[in-house]
Amino acid sequence: GESVGLHLPTLSVQEGDNSIINCAYSNSASDYFIWYKQESGKGPQFIIDIRSNMDKRQGQRVTVLLNKTVKHLSLQIAATQPGDSAVYFCAEKWSNYQLIWGAGTKLIIKP
Amino acid sequence: NAGVTQTPKFRVLKTGQSMTLLCAQDMNHEYMYWYRQDPGMGLRLIHYSVGEGTTAKGEVPDGYNVSRLKKQNFLLGLESAAPSQTSVYFCASRWDGGGELFFGEGSRLTVL
Repeated sequence: GESVGLHLPTLSVQEGDNSIINCAYSNSASDYFIWYKQESGKGPQFIIDIRSNMDKRQGQRVTVLLNKTVKHLSLQIAATQPGDSAVYFCAEKWSNYQLIWGAGTKLIIKP
Repeated sequence: NAGVTQTPKFRVLKTGQSMTLLCAQDMNHEYMYWYRQDPGMGLRLIHYSVGEGTTAKGEVPDGYNVSRLKKQNFLLGLESAAPSQTSVYFCASRWDGGGELFFGEGSRLTVL
């Protein structure tokens, strides 16, 4: 069936640098995508979302880019901080009730 | 404002035992979900509910049952626990079918 996946399971970034986490999706009909952050021992927390009628959306230090041509989603984190260490999940709206989740990318911040 | 609260946070069961996980939300959300999370995998939907008195199966419903007798509560039951059900379980809720999901802190279940 349709799936959402991530290119890299682990990403190591120097503190202060920008981080880019990638996600591929396969359902070209998907119209809504969302990024979550999960810190160790906690539940996922919403970061940012984007609808398919947009290419880019910015939040506080985060930007999501959507490329519908190649079915690719990315999350950019500016000036990465130690508190950004977490597992990041992308999710795709599957129906009015369900999201399909990627496997996650672990972001490690090097001091 | 507590948000989404799960109890218990930890539980160890023997194979064949039964238990119930409770999820409570105080945001008046219509939609509630139960997910399981296994190492190296994303969240997989077990069951969900679109309103009081309704439930529906998700991706991996076998071995689990749910009930939504009150709008604020969503219960996940294991009638006869199996080692394959060792996992971290997350409850989530939201206003409607789209938008932000609010998650609980998780319930870690070990079945021996």
